[in-house]
Amino acid sequence: NAGVMQNPRHLVRRRGQEARLRCSPVKGHSHVYWYRQLPEEGLKFMVYLQKENIIDESGMPKERFSAEFPKEGPSILRIQQVVRGDSAAYFCASSPGTSHTNEQFFGPGTRLTVL
Amino acid sequence: RKEVEQDPGPFNVPEGATVAFNCTYSNSASQSFFWYRQDCRKEPKLLMSVYSSGNEDGRFTAQLNRASQYISLLIRDSKLSDSATYLCVVNPMVGGATNKLIFGTGTLLAVQP
Repeated sequence: NAGVMQNPRHLVRRRGQEARLRCSPVKGHSHVYWYRQLPEEGLKFMVYLQKENIIDESGMPKERFSAEFPKEGPSILRIQQVVRGDSAAYFCASSPGTSHTNEQFFGPGTRLTVL
Repeated sequence: RKEVEQDPGPFNVPEGATVAFNCTYSNSASQSFFWYRQDCRKEPKLLMSVYSSGNEDGRFTAQLNRASQYISLLIRDSKLSDSATYLCVVNPMVGGATNKLIFGTGTLLAVQP
């Protein structure tokens, strides 16, 4: 069984470009979460999605950031017009949605560097 | 006040030592509690869930005190491979509209030979 997969693992963008981060959840998992870890800080929740629906986006910056989890294909976290402060590790997690323990399984992360 | 607070450490201990980490959380309605482990530049991995009755997994023991909003992790007979950052994690709501995890900033453990 493959775990959560994220790509790319490393992404370099210049200021003003767009960054697209992809996440394929564990097979059979219908819930996806995105977290951001700034250098020397803890993980911060960004958004929680189920297939085709955003459930909780309370951690998403108001501008430039968007997320989707289409019926087919991976979840995408999109950052438009990146700035240096967007440099961070972005982790995706998934859960089956039916586990009473709410365990979330994390992917290896995408490290975004904005030059 | 932070939602989840931990002592950042570092905790430098010799092999074989017993070490304890503490964590407090601010939301008294929180329902699920976990300890995750994060190795340098890697993803967090679930170490164990924490239950009110306390639970043990080999050398690791976790305790939850709901009245004090306090969670602990005890590691006995420390190994070099235990060196990592230990993350206290709280899910404020089970079965509700959201399922997000709130992470503490982590406690760094360095086990010395």
